[in-house]
Amino acid sequence: AQKITQTQPGMFVQEKEAVTLDCTYDTSDQSYGLFWYKQPSSGEMIFLIYQGSYDEQNATEGRYSLNFQKARKSANLVISASQLGDSAMYFCAMRDTGNQFYFGTGTSLTVIP
Amino acid sequence: NAGVMQNPRHLVRRRGQEARLRCSPMKGHSHVYWYRQLPEEGLKFMVYLQKENIIDESGMPKERFSAEFPKEGPSILRIQQVVRGDSAAYFCASSPQADTDTQYFGPGTRLTVL
Repeated sequence: AQKITQTQPGMFVQEKEAVTLDCTYDTSDQSYGLFWYKQPSSGEMIFLIYQGSYDEQNATEGRYSLNFQKARKSANLVISASQLGDSAMYFCAMRDTGNQFYFGTGTSLTVIP
Repeated sequence: NAGVMQNPRHLVRRRGQEARLRCSPMKGHSHVYWYRQLPEEGLKFMVYLQKENIIDESGMPKERFSAEFPKEGPSILRIQQVVRGDSAAYFCASSPQADTDTQYFGPGTRLTVL
């Protein structure tokens, strides 16, 4: 069975500080993809960053980086220099070899001025 | 290049009515996925379609729900005889035929059943 776990229902971070959002996954697939999406209060799902299971280097996209630890099956999202506009729900997701996506329950991030 | 489009954005139905949700994938994308997000939860996969074919409907409830992606026109998620528990946000995503690195999501349709 595929499973994504996000253990932090809510997180707070001071503006301009860095924050790490945790994500662990469980799969027996050898090839899979890991994703983070942002869902602001307006409701849309915004793709942030992708990491393939065979990628040796951690993915980075601007202020977002994915701390991929394959042996631990973790794919934590690091947001550097937090901005007020980063306040949103963040979902970790995994794509399996059948191209099906599985989502975690999300972490609500609040950036404090 | 327009993104994934969904309409309506908000839909209100009374119990027993039918709900039709539409999704137009990004240009050049032939794979469509539907997800349901219940309040305070993450997205749950429902169905994966390609043009004129249902590839995987393992997440679709066995009754009242159906989906199609015709050769021409948008993909349709149809919910017959809606009940209050169907109230949720329904998201559509699409991906290109050759690239499955990610799925691009539409803005969602928020269904409220009174």
